[in-house]
Amino acid sequence: EVRLLESGGGLVQPGGSLRLSCAASGFTFSIYAMSWVRQAPGKGLEWVSGTSASGVNTYYAESVKGRFTISRDNSKNTLYLQMNSLRAEDTAVYYCAKVPYCGGDCGWFDPWGQGTLVTVSS
Amino acid sequence: DIVMTQSPESLAVSLGERATINCKSSQSILYSSNKKNYLAWYQQKPGQPPKLLIYWASTRESGVPDRFSGSGSGTDFTLTISSLQAEDVTVYYCQQYYSSPPTFGQGTKLEIK
Repeated sequence: EVRLLESGGGLVQPGGSLRLSCAASGFTFSIYAMSWVRQAPGKGLEWVSGTSASGVNTYYAESVKGRFTISRDNSKNTLYLQMNSLRAEDTAVYYCAKVPYCGGDCGWFDPWGQGTLVTVSS
Repeated sequence: DIVMTQSPESLAVSLGERATINCKSSQSILYSSNKKNYLAWYQQKPGQPPKLLIYWASTRESGVPDRFSGSGSGTDFTLTISSLQAEDVTVYYCQQYYSSPPTFGQGTKLEIK
């Protein structure tokens, strides 16, 4: 069974940093692209960042570019999101999600982890 | 960025009746070389992550009941639930993956009439 388990969320002050982790199991992690998607309380879904299977290629939403860094450790089956210079508007549940493997054409997300809540507040 | 607009924002349907949710993209998400529409639909229940229902606009994910179907092409798409069940009453999102960044519709809340 494919499982994604996020951790690392919590309460942080504006301007602070947090590192999220997503532990993957049940599939060959190293051959799949992965993404982070967030959902502010009571709001819709916003893609945040993505990485290729190798981790060489990384992509960011404009709203987090320069502040967030996605990375992965394929030896540990773990995806990360380093979040710096956090703002109140970054408050959200952060989900990691697997991208299907089909030669680069597939861009939907399945499955998703349960999410970890990040709250940015003083 | 491609903007995805869902309508209506909320919808009340009687149990057993048909529910139809629309999704419109700000530009075509039909790739001419493979004739595929780069659109997915998700269902999200309270306190849970989104669950994939449909990809390529009309391909049902394994295990998804056949009362769920997707249709449309180019810029206009539809998610149809042929006979609404109580467990279908929740929020639905469309998402385009034609170009980066992937973008989602704002969501449609489905309720019982």
